[in-house]
Amino acid sequence: GQQVMQIPQYQHVQEGEDFTTYCNSSTTLSNIQWYKQRPGGHPVFLIQLVKSGEVKKQKRLTFQFGEAKKNSSLHITATQTTDVGTYFCAGYSGGGADGLTFGKGTHLIIQP
Amino acid sequence: NAGVTQTPKFQVLKTGQSMTLQCAQDMNHNSMYWYRQDPGMGLRLIYYSASEGTTDKGEVPNGYNVSRLNKREFSLRLESAAPSQTSVYFCASSEGGEPGNTIYFGEGSWLTVV
Repeated sequence: GQQVMQIPQYQHVQEGEDFTTYCNSSTTLSNIQWYKQRPGGHPVFLIQLVKSGEVKKQKRLTFQFGEAKKNSSLHITATQTTDVGTYFCAGYSGGGADGLTFGKGTHLIIQP
Repeated sequence: NAGVTQTPKFQVLKTGQSMTLQCAQDMNHNSMYWYRQDPGMGLRLIYYSASEGTTDKGEVPNGYNVSRLNKREFSLRLESAAPSQTSVYFCASSEGGEPGNTIYFGEGSWLTVV
């Protein structure tokens, strides 16, 4: 079945440093979504990428979808304490109404 | 607008007990899901319902049953709880019709089986 691998599992950064998490799929994806989960909270949708090579920005967050539609990345510039949480990618490769396959997430820990 | 509401928020069960997690959404979504989240394992799909009256197994369905009671409600039942089912459970919904839609999550139910 479809697998979505996400690295790193944990990332410690100093406040103000940049952060990147990577997502790789074993199959070509129809789309990829990114979610953020604050500690003790629930996952919240951030963005969806659909097109090959697509790049989208939300303030300090930059999302990319690979040319082959099998990988994606999320980059945060100049991290702030409000960025703390777990970032999940979730991919869908079609073929059935079974929802998205989530990566295991990257836990972002920020040291002031 | 409440979104996805699930109850209870916290529950402690003894091994072998049964319980039902309730979930309701007010967004008129067609698809509903139950996920479990364990440390280091991410979110794993237990069951989903693409529309009222249909349910399908996800990645980890063993030990669980579901009921799509109507378009709004999707319940998850543990018939005989086991310690391995200690987890955080999230109900979620999406518009459906086209798989891969944005998923909206409830706030989670923390279940401990002792």
